[in-house]
Order: sequence, then C-alpha cells, then structure tokens
Amino acid sequence: RKEVEQDPGPFNVPEGATVAFNCTYSNSASQSFFWYRQDCRKEPKLLMSVYSSGNEDGRFTAQLNRASQYISLLIRDSKLSDSATYLCVVNVRKDSSYKLIFGSGTRLLVRP
Amino acid sequence: SQTIHQWPATLVQPVGSPLSLECTVEGTSNPNLYWYRQAAGRGLQLLFYSVGIGQISSEVPQNLSASRPQDRQFILSSKKLLLSDSGFYLCAWRAGGNYGYTFGSGTRLTVV
Repeated sequence: RKEVEQDPGPFNVPEGATVAFNCTYSNSASQSFFWYRQDCRKEPKLLMSVYSSGNEDGRFTAQLNRASQYISLLIRDSKLSDSATYLCVVNVRKDSSYKLIFGSGTRLLVRP
Repeated sequence: SQTIHQWPATLVQPVGSPLSLECTVEGTSNPNLYWYRQAAGRGLQLLFYSVGIGQISSEVPQNLSASRPQDRQFILSSKKLLLSDSGFYLCAWRAGGNYGYTFGSGTRLTVV
C-alpha cells in the first residue's frame, strides 16, 4: 500500500466549476500536511498547509481528518490557470529528521 | 531571503557514464537537504536526505549516492548511469520544524 494515495484523475472541469480532491495517508504518526501544485515539467510549489481545523486561502480550502487519515482540497470558481497536478504531501518524523512523502498527484484540467 | 539552486537544467548522458548533480542553498544555515526523483508520469520518490555536513541517509537501494561536503551544498552522483536512472531530479530544503519544503528548479536527466 502506498503511504499517500490520490486519485490520479484527470479531472476535466469547466471554468467556474468547484472541484474537490481527496487523499488518504497510511502513517498515523504523520506530523503535518500540505498541498503542492506542480505545473508540467516544473518543480512542485507549496500551495497551502493543511490544519486540523481546516483552512482557507482565497478560492482554496483544505481539510484534514486525522481520525480517518484523510485530506481534501476544494477549489472554487476554477480558473484556466488552475490547470496543474495537485500533490498531497505528508510530513513524517523518522529518527531525528522529517521527511515529506508525496502522493502521485491528481491532474486537473480546466477548460474554457 | 533563502534561495536554492540546481544545475544543470537538462542533461543527456550515455549509459555507463558518471553523473554529478549539484544543489546549493543560500540565505540559511544548517538546512535539511533532500534529493527526490520523479520518473515520467510518476510521483516524487525520496532518494537521500541530509541533516548536516557528511550526514547522508539513503531511502532506497540504487545506483546513486549523495554527499554533503559543505553546509549548503548537496551533491548527487553515480559512477555508471543506467537507463532506469532517467528522470526529473529535484533538490529541496527545509528551514526547520514542521514545515514544507522549497524545491530547486530540477534537473531533467535522460540516459541514452
């Protein structure tokens, strides 16, 4: 079983749509959680951290359910520029260091 | 401000040739440094991480090695490349604590 699992998509949605991505993780000792965005042939960039209380950044809302080991990302009013791959990321403490474990990503295509 | 540099951006190497990829970080001291690889259409795989000079942890057995000769320098090497070493290599650093990482712009390696 993968440590972080995501639906690979692609999610093909029209501009203005609301789309939600889900992610599950297997390590209950996971410390912190993130969503990263990766454009084609580029490096991943941090989109937002995910907090247990849920957090919002403009059109983006992230939720964490520690009991179910489940993370979500909601994008409202999708823009063409939102087209990218969204990576669910879990920070795990091992020995004396932290490591980020990445999901394989969910691809989003926003069409005009 | 902190920046991370990787070079070269692209590299085409024959099978059996050596490899050396360099990553440097500016504007911070004693960063945790990481090497990831992303095969075509796949997720990011953690290869190595380092918490300090001369300290290297390997995540998966493979044809690669890493070294950290200076505080802000992280090098990925191979003595003899294999076709399966092709991929997108990304260096990342973490400032400390329970935070996400910042990635370099990556090196796209094609072994022919």
